[in-house]
Amino acid sequence: DSGVTQTPKHLITATGQRVTLRCSPRSGDLSVYWYQQSLDQGLQFLIQYYNGEERAKGNILERFSAQQFPDLHSELNLSSLELGDSALYFCASSAQTGLGETQYFGPGTRLLVL
Amino acid sequence: DAKTTQPTSMDCAEGRAANLPCNHSTISGNEYVYWYRQIHSQGPQYIIHGLKNNETNEMASLIITEDRKSSTLILPHATLRDTAVYYCIVRVDNYGQNFVFGPGTRLSVLP
Repeated sequence: DSGVTQTPKHLITATGQRVTLRCSPRSGDLSVYWYQQSLDQGLQFLIQYYNGEERAKGNILERFSAQQFPDLHSELNLSSLELGDSALYFCASSAQTGLGETQYFGPGTRLLVL
Repeated sequence: DAKTTQPTSMDCAEGRAANLPCNHSTISGNEYVYWYRQIHSQGPQYIIHGLKNNETNEMASLIITEDRKSSTLILPHATLRDTAVYYCIVRVDNYGQNFVFGPGTRLSVLP
């Protein structure tokens, strides 16, 4: 158990819909990262927040957005969903932000878009 | 980005040491070598990381060559539960925080 929690575990929805994935980082961790893992793409970094502020963006679509709240939990919002958005979405957290920091991953949310 | 090269797959007999190699010939001086593993579709699990010196923890040992161009992850006594995809990561993005995952090595521990 990494200490990072994610809800829900599974999500089934239809194309065009909007969903919200939630992540609670390890106690004391200020940085949250979101990753997407699809069958044909492997693990892809989406976005990072540090202490409530966006720190880095990766391969995140404009239909996707995220935020980190004052209590440090984070939400990833996916809208206008397409079949290709079906994937595992992982959240990770780290204490600080910088080289040498270890990221601890949550169990993931499996999203299926029908 | 410093690219990593890992074997696509490896087999190891249960109870034997599993030695997983990783080449990272373009690694920069301030880049750490990280190892994670992913069992089925679970979240990636941190194993170990290092910069220059060899490292050991309760899970594994990390041997980094003196020129830092390659490293080896050693699981001293592999069990069936160590069957997983193992990722060697040496590159973070320009901000220094975000991992770039390659395809990894699929390790099968055989009874």
